[in-house]
Amino acid sequence: GAVVSQHPSWVICKSGTSVKIECRSLDFQATTMFWYRQFPKQSLMLMATSNEGSKATYEQGVEKDKFLINHASLTLSTLTVTSAHPEDSSFYICSAAPPGAEQYFGPGTRLTVT
Amino acid sequence: QQQVKQSPQSLIVQKGGISIINCAYENTAFDYFPWYQQFPGKGPALLIAIRPDVSEKKEGRFTISFNKSAKQFSLHIMDSQPGDSATYFCAASILWANNLFFGTGTRLTVIP
Repeated sequence: GAVVSQHPSWVICKSGTSVKIECRSLDFQATTMFWYRQFPKQSLMLMATSNEGSKATYEQGVEKDKFLINHASLTLSTLTVTSAHPEDSSFYICSAAPPGAEQYFGPGTRLTVT
Repeated sequence: QQQVKQSPQSLIVQKGGISIINCAYENTAFDYFPWYQQFPGKGPALLIAIRPDVSEKKEGRFTISFNKSAKQFSLHIMDSQPGDSATYFCAASILWANNLFFGTGTRLTVIP
């Protein structure tokens, strides 16, 4: 199947700093990528839909100025958590779908804000 | 509002037994129903998926049963193994490449 990677797999940052998470489709091009957030022992919640070459679409309740998404190419989308706070600590997962196929998920990035 | 409801929250099954997880949805526009398996600290992996034009789909030990009129679908894991111990999520979407609405998850434990 198709492969989606994320980097880093785990990041610790101090409160007030920003952190960038990368999502790459390794063997296919994706015009659309999705960003999810998962708190411990909870389900995945869609944060935003990332579209190559255009602005991301954010779900209700997700602050677009806090969670900056850039889909600069057909194989890379980035999520930047700006001015991170401890409550932003979570597991962030991206997904992408090859043309005409189902979504594949990345391995996730665990963010811990101290 | 939870678009996809999943039960049970947790499930303990003896090795060799059948694990059954149920999901229900409200949006009749959904036309793609996948099941994902997630191990701790990992992203979800697609197990099996079904479209509403069929009532059952089987892949190895995994079977999806789909009831369009009841707006319900379920995952059956036959001959459950300790390696199946994980969290399982059902999901639904309109077209398979669109954003997925996930159920709340079921933590399955298979006892040797």
